Amino acid sequence: EPEVTQTPSHQVTQMGQEVILRCVPISNHLYFYWYRQILGQKVEFLVSFYNNEISEKSEIFDDQFSVERPDGSNFTLKIRSTKLEDSAMYFCASMGFSNEQFFGPGTRLTVL
Amino acid sequence: AQSVTQPDIHITVSEGASLELRCNYSYGATPYLFWYVQSPGQGLQLLLKYFSGDTLVQGIKGFEAEFKRSQSSFNLRKPSVHWSDAAEYFCAVVHGGATNKLIFGTGTLLAVQP
Repeated sequence: EPEVTQTPSHQVTQMGQEVILRCVPISNHLYFYWYRQILGQKVEFLVSFYNNEISEKSEIFDDQFSVERPDGSNFTLKIRSTKLEDSAMYFCASMGFSNEQFFGPGTRLTVL
Repeated sequence: AQSVTQPDIHITVSEGASLELRCNYSYGATPYLFWYVQSPGQGLQLLLKYFSGDTLVQGIKGFEAEFKRSQSSFNLRKPSVHWSDAAEYFCAVVHGGATNKLIFGTGTLLAVQP
């Protein structure tokens, strides 16, 4: 069964450093998403991506964040200069025409 | 704005007992509704979904949910809970529009007593 994969599973970084979180969506899906979950809180939408451009972004998704689909298979989330409050679990999801989003296992980002 | 409320933060049930997790949503049109389960340290697994049609939907692992438009609810049920069901459960609604982003509730943490 096809699945969404994410790497790394855990990323530790120093405050102010750049991080790139990687996702491989399901191959025939067209809609891509990033969500995050701060420890003990609910899952929050960050950004959606369709047709090689951002279709919607939340207030959380400020200028420090960017997304890219560099090679037609990977979908990346970059945080330019990490802050302590960026520590969270980041989930990638992809969707085809079924209106059902499939989630990856997540990347736990720890900013020190 | 769309929102999802899960009134129960933490529920404890005995193994073999029945379970009902509550979810209320706020949405103007017919919603697309989902229940996801998250085991500790794991990602989100879809249990079931409602788009239209029969208001009682069956999901994986013996779960079902009933959409009640009059009550704006989509409660999750299971007749007999297993110890492996201990996890956090999230109700979600599709926001609608072009992006179909999901709006999640705050989750209900289920503990199962032997």
